[in-house]
Amino acid sequence: GAVVSQHPSRVICKSGTSVKIECRSLDFQATTMFWYRQFPKQSLMLMATSNEGSKATYEQGVEKDKFLINHASLTLSTLTVTSAHPEDSSFYICSAARQGYEQYFGPGTRLTVT
Amino acid sequence: GESVGLHLPTLSVQEGDNSIINCAYSNSASDYFIWYKQESGKGPQFIIDIRSNMDKRQGQRVTVLLNKTVKHLSLQIAATQPGDSAVYFCAGLTGGGNKLTFGTGTQLKVEL
Repeated sequence: GAVVSQHPSRVICKSGTSVKIECRSLDFQATTMFWYRQFPKQSLMLMATSNEGSKATYEQGVEKDKFLINHASLTLSTLTVTSAHPEDSSFYICSAARQGYEQYFGPGTRLTVT
Repeated sequence: GESVGLHLPTLSVQEGDNSIINCAYSNSASDYFIWYKQESGKGPQFIIDIRSNMDKRQGQRVTVLLNKTVKHLSLQIAATQPGDSAVYFCAGLTGGGNKLTFGTGTQLKVEL
């Protein structure tokens, strides 16, 4: 149990376009979902926390107008990278949490902006 | 705020040996810690956790030790196998919140 999926697993887009990444909890309802960003050989950095039906809470330094998060249901959260630039190229990972501490991580999405 | 760091970026061990990966944290109010394993191109995988009211917890081939006095925790992997090769992160949680702070990671390489 506690499986989290992400789609797509890899995406390449042109500079200036927008990309949407989906995060789904497949077999449980997630009260909270988290979005992380990870550059090569670096740690995970939390971008934002989202609760179903409410606005996401962004970490300091993360542009909320650039990284749009929608948490429309207890099993789905989306991250849209708007007007993507090469510096947005990264590994984006979501996690989902039920009641309690444990977060279940998705497999990640590799974004490459050309 | 919380910062969680690791002592060594890379650890090489022989297959069958025990591995010890260390982590230091700065916030004495941190009350829950998790070790994750991340293979290349994949998301983190939960290994083991420990709460601040404990100093040791054992799982299958893994043990986590917590020393609150010096704000240090370690992950011990017994009889390390090639499949254990990955990056290992410690992560901490503070004050009943649900935001994890990740350490910088240690690359474990298992040599045959």
